[in-house]
Amino acid sequence: GESVGLHLPTLSVQEGDNSIINCAYSNSASDYFIWYKQESGKGPQFIIDIRSNMDKRQGQRVTVLLNKTVKHLSLQIAATQPGDSAVYFCAENNWGSARQLTFGSGTQLTVLP
Amino acid sequence: NAGVMQNPRHLVRRRGQEARLRCSPMKGHSHVYWYRQLPEEGLKFMVYLQKENIIDESGMPKERFSAEFPKEGPSILRIQQVVRGDSAAYFCASSPRGHTNSPLHFGNGTRLTVT
Repeated sequence: GESVGLHLPTLSVQEGDNSIINCAYSNSASDYFIWYKQESGKGPQFIIDIRSNMDKRQGQRVTVLLNKTVKHLSLQIAATQPGDSAVYFCAENNWGSARQLTFGSGTQLTVLP
Repeated sequence: NAGVMQNPRHLVRRRGQEARLRCSPMKGHSHVYWYRQLPEEGLKFMVYLQKENIIDESGMPKERFSAEFPKEGPSILRIQQVVRGDSAAYFCASSPRGHTNSPLHFGNGTRLTVT
């Protein structure tokens, strides 16, 4: 079946370095993608989104890249801080045929002092 | 502007009891979604509701689970005759529009433990 998956379950980075979290999706009809951050004991928090008519979008310290050719999504976090430690999920949606988000299994980001 | 409010935060039930989980969407949001999350896993879609209507329940187990979003009051996810496998975190999300590309805003969840 079609699914959203992440390449790495865990990622450790030094404070101040840049982080890159990757996500592969298999539904070529997906046209909207979101990155969420989930801290322990909390719900997913919206970080950034991107539509399929774009290949890059920037926010504050975060950048999302979309490569539709290989169906790959990445989240880049600049100057990673201890507060960035969390689980990061990508989610995809094809609003034309589904009214739900499909989530990947998540990547645990740990920022080392 | 308050976010999505879920209660209770933690709920303990014995096998066979009923669990009721409540969700109040963000102000101005009329679309509500319920997701379930098992430990160290992603969120799995359960049901999508608008006021007084179930739009998509394709992720709901066929038995024991039901959801409603009445004209007045919060959305309710009800689990009858709970079993240990129902232990999970249940998250509610809301959006102002259900058919456009807008992110869902999640509450902090209800953690259900079945003993």
